[in-house]
Amino acid sequence: GAGVSQSPSNKVTEKGKDVELRCDPISGHTALYWYRQSLGQGLEFLIYFQGNSAPDKSGLPSDRFSAERTGGSVSTLTIQRTQQEDSAVYLCASSPSEGGPYEQYFGPGTRLTVT
Amino acid sequence: AQSVSQHNHHVILSEAASLELGCNYSYGGTVNLFWYVQYPGQHLQLLLKYFSGDPLVKGIKGFEAEFIKSKFSFNLRKPSVQWSDTAEYFCAVIIKAAGNKLTFGGGTRVLVKP
Repeated sequence: GAGVSQSPSNKVTEKGKDVELRCDPISGHTALYWYRQSLGQGLEFLIYFQGNSAPDKSGLPSDRFSAERTGGSVSTLTIQRTQQEDSAVYLCASSPSEGGPYEQYFGPGTRLTVT
Repeated sequence: AQSVSQHNHHVILSEAASLELGCNYSYGGTVNLFWYVQYPGQHLQLLLKYFSGDPLVKGIKGFEAEFIKSKFSFNLRKPSVQWSDTAEYFCAVIIKAAGNKLTFGGGTRVLVKP
């Protein structure tokens, strides 16, 4: 079946601009996660959504970062006023959430470059 | 804060050599443990996982890992590597009390020389 998809695959933006990154989880997966992978920080958790519960935003590095999940499916990660340190690969993952535990399935990522 | 440590940042070995990658975590409660692999140009994929039961778990491509609770370790092994095992390997932990988010180790880049 289809895996997690992310768009765009690459994004180059100028410092100070806003960007939106999109994630389509695996159909039927009720949990959705955002991580980022950067040279300096490795792989780090940003935010996750589980069903209708309030999202866990504990990993968001600043208030310039936000995410939403519409209709329990597609999610958008928004970075406002981008900075060079935001350059990274942003990864989305999904999993079932009822019962469990479960592994998380990762998408190919969006490579963000802030110039 | 809870953390995951991978002791080796880079490993270089020849085909048919044995591989062992160390992973330790710092949390005394219930955890789920994972090894993910990222082949060049590809996305993260699961090698194996431990949730409960037999502490020796087998994954894809001949990999296995052993959970040693007393040592807070989950080391990855493969008895005989192939050139196609060249990749970056990540150990990850879910601390059940903190929700389902993964905490990753820093990764180990493995280069297998043909």
